[in-house]
Amino acid sequence: EAQVTQNPRYLITVTGKKLTVTCSQNMNHEYMSWYRQDPGLGLRQIYYSMNVEVTDKGDVPEGYKVSRKEKRNFPLILESPSPNQTSLYFCASSFLAGADTQYFGPGTRLTVL
Amino acid sequence: AQSVTQPDIHITVSEGASLELRCNYSYGATPYLFWYVQSPGQGLQLLLKYFSGDTLVQGIKGFEAEFKRSQSSFNLRKPSVHWSDAAEYFCAVGARGGNEKLTFGTGTRLTIIP
Repeated sequence: EAQVTQNPRYLITVTGKKLTVTCSQNMNHEYMSWYRQDPGLGLRQIYYSMNVEVTDKGDVPEGYKVSRKEKRNFPLILESPSPNQTSLYFCASSFLAGADTQYFGPGTRLTVL
Repeated sequence: AQSVTQPDIHITVSEGASLELRCNYSYGATPYLFWYVQSPGQGLQLLLKYFSGDTLVQGIKGFEAEFKRSQSSFNLRKPSVHWSDAAEYFCAVGARGGNEKLTFGTGTRLTIIP
């Protein structure tokens, strides 16, 4: 089954404790991206990747890191989480970026205390 | 850079009534246009998309959308809503280069009343 998986689905952590949210897709997609969803703000892009070893900042990259060492995986790293990073995070993948259907993961609900 | 406006934050509709969700975009040429739906606790799922050709696009679950270049709009419609349509709906615009990012609107939450 074609899918994007994210782990964990729910996470409660404390300020400053490094964490990683994993994202994996099995569709051989070139393009992957991370979004955060906040009430009233819709989805905002954090980082994206056009291909392996190619990543770039989206609209709200501050406080986040990503890597793309393999085509299927695109982890999101919060080196020192803060309460303003409490949000719902989605990973998505597609063959192309703005011109193609995005396939979304189920989301990760992150709470930073 | 492109942008998307969904002017209605929340809409309430009676079951069986018709629905129209508004979407306006800003882009220098004809963009790629999408509608996604997010059911409670779920990720986003594509409802329909417009790339070119016929300006009336049919999607899943009985939804359709019409691209109006003169109004820079891509409104979503359904003739008769069902309780299961209660969800949040996002309009998105993608640039014609193919490798430009997708920009989402802020979403419209749809409530269905019996």
